Amino acid sequence: EVQLLESGGGLVQPGGSLRLSCAASGFTFSNYAMNWVRQAPGKGLEWVSSLSASGDLTYYPDSVKGRFTISRDNSNNTLYLQMSSLTAEDTAVYYCAKNSAPSGGYWFGPWGQGILVTVSS
Amino acid sequence: EIVMTQSPATLSVSPGERATLSCRASQSVSSNLAWYRQKPGQAPRLLIYGASTRATGIPARFSGSGSGTEFTLTISSLQSDDFAVYYCQQYNKWPLTFGQGAKVEIK
Repeated sequence: EVQLLESGGGLVQPGGSLRLSCAASGFTFSNYAMNWVRQAPGKGLEWVSSLSASGDLTYYPDSVKGRFTISRDNSNNTLYLQMSSLTAEDTAVYYCAKNSAPSGGYWFGPWGQGILVTVSS
Repeated sequence: EIVMTQSPATLSVSPGERATLSCRASQSVSSNLAWYRQKPGQAPRLLIYGASTRATGIPARFSGSGSGTEFTLTISSLQSDDFAVYYCQQYNKWPLTFGQGAKVEIK
């Protein structure tokens, strides 16, 4: 069974930094692209970042480009999201999501349970 | 950026009835469209990819159709689990984008 367990969330001050981790198990981690998706309180889903299986290709929307960095450790089956210059607009539940297919398009499943990041003074 | 627009925002349906949700893309996404269901307090779950292919373990009451800019998710007979929020997502072009969500509520 695929399991994705996020950690590293919490309260951070505006302008601060935080690193999220996602521990993966139940599948061959190094064969799959991985993703982060967030959901602000009471709002819809927003794609945050994607990373190819090998780790050589990264993708970001403009809203986080230059502030967030996605990375992976295939030897430890862990996905990371380094977030910096955080603002209140980054407050959200952050989901780690496995790419459903090993290659091709980026659609997501399954997802982790999510971790809350709150940016506030 | 491709804007995904879902309609209606809220659909009131009785258990056992059919629900039909729409998703429109601001430009063609071919068949590169997925649907997700999110129950309250839970992570989203993949239902459909490739516009019409059910994901593993998804019951046959869920079906997807469409291509280009117009897509439909149909739930043939609503079960209690299906009262939730549904999202479409295009993966044809970066940035990946979601619709704003459509809530299916009990009538």
